[in-house]
Amino acid sequence: RKEVEQDPGPFNVPEGATVAFNCTYSNSASQSFFWYRQDCRKEPKLLMSVYSSGNEDGRFTAQLNRASQYISLLIRDSKLSDSATYLCVAARGSTLGRLYFGRGTQLTVWP
Amino acid sequence: GAVVSQHPSRVICKSGTSVKIECRSLDFQATTMFWYRQFPKQSLMLMATSNEGSKATYEQGVEKDKFLINHASLTLSTLTVTSAHPEDSSFYICSAREPGLGGYTFGSGTRLTVV
Repeated sequence: RKEVEQDPGPFNVPEGATVAFNCTYSNSASQSFFWYRQDCRKEPKLLMSVYSSGNEDGRFTAQLNRASQYISLLIRDSKLSDSATYLCVAARGSTLGRLYFGRGTQLTVWP
Repeated sequence: GAVVSQHPSRVICKSGTSVKIECRSLDFQATTMFWYRQFPKQSLMLMATSNEGSKATYEQGVEKDKFLINHASLTLSTLTVTSAHPEDSSFYICSAREPGLGGYTFGSGTRLTVV
């Protein structure tokens, strides 16, 4: 079983739509969680960390449920520039340096 | 924010040759750096953890004699793909974590094509 599983996508939504991505992780020892975005043939860039209390950054809201080992990302009022692949990431290890990536969910926002 | 510089961004080499990829932390010291590989439409897979001044830690299934890692200073880690094979063609990315922060900064990646 993969460490991190994500919605396969792709998601194709119009501008202004709200879209939600889901992710589950299999190892309960995972301690930190992140959402990264990756544009085509580029490196991943941190979108936001994910906290148990839930956190919001502008149009983006992330949620973590440790009991069910479930992570989500909600994007409101989608913009064309949100088109990318969104990677769910779990970290663990002595320095939390071992990152486990999901395959990513591709989002295309159309005008 | 933290910047990690990776070079080269793209390399094409012949089978059997070796390729060296450099990863530098530009404005912070990184005692630990991480090397990932990403095949098309696949997730990033951790290959190894590079430790300054000591041997790298390799993930299961990654050949340490094929993927040589050197972390000789607090700002530089190198990955050398030895005796490259077309199956090694992939996107290689390094990352480092600036002390005290929660996220990880990635290099811009190296697209390796072995012909």
